[in-house]
Amino acid sequence: AQKVTQAQTEISVVEKEDVTLDCVYETRDTTYYLFWYKQPPSGELVFLIRRNSFDEQNEISGRYSWNFQKSTSSFNFTITASQVVDSAVYFCALSGPSGGKLIFGQGTELSVKP
Amino acid sequence: DAGVIQSPRHEVTEMGQEVTLRCKPISGHNSLFWYRQTMMRGLELLIYFNNNVPIDDSGMPEDRFSAKMPNASFSTLKIQPSEPRDSAVYFCASSLSGKSGIEQYFGPGTRLTVT
Repeated sequence: AQKVTQAQTEISVVEKEDVTLDCVYETRDTTYYLFWYKQPPSGELVFLIRRNSFDEQNEISGRYSWNFQKSTSSFNFTITASQVVDSAVYFCALSGPSGGKLIFGQGTELSVKP
Repeated sequence: DAGVIQSPRHEVTEMGQEVTLRCKPISGHNSLFWYRQTMMRGLELLIYFNNNVPIDDSGMPEDRFSAKMPNASFSTLKIQPSEPRDSAVYFCASSLSGKSGIEQYFGPGTRLTVT
């Protein structure tokens, strides 16, 4: 069975702090895909990143970075120098080898205070 | 480029009424997904289509729910009769199946309230 666990329900930081959102997944597939989505207070779901199971290279995009470790089945997301606009619920998700159904974690609500 | 379009954005209806939610996927995408978001259950897949054919409907709660995709640019999710426990945000998403671009792009959602 596939499962995604985001153990942190809520995180609160002060602007300019770095913050890491944890994601642990379970799957029996050897090929799979991992995703992060952002849901701001307005409610839409915004795609942030996709990683393939065969590519463990970490990725950086501006203030965002992602650390994928197959050995620990984790796909963590770090925001450097957080800003108020980063306040949102962040979801980690998993899909199988052909894409298709996304299995979402329960989400982590990040609050960045000025 | 237009993203995924959903209508209506908000729907308030009384228990027992029929509700129809509509979705227009991103042009050129060949997979379409319906998800539901609630506080209790989070985000869960209801059904998805590939090339207009339903592939996985195991998440459809019961016979009151039905979904159709008559062509590549339109899908509906119907609830008949609606019940208060159907109150949720319903998202439609689309993707382009293949080695690249399998990420799903979501519409703005329809917030359904059944009283």
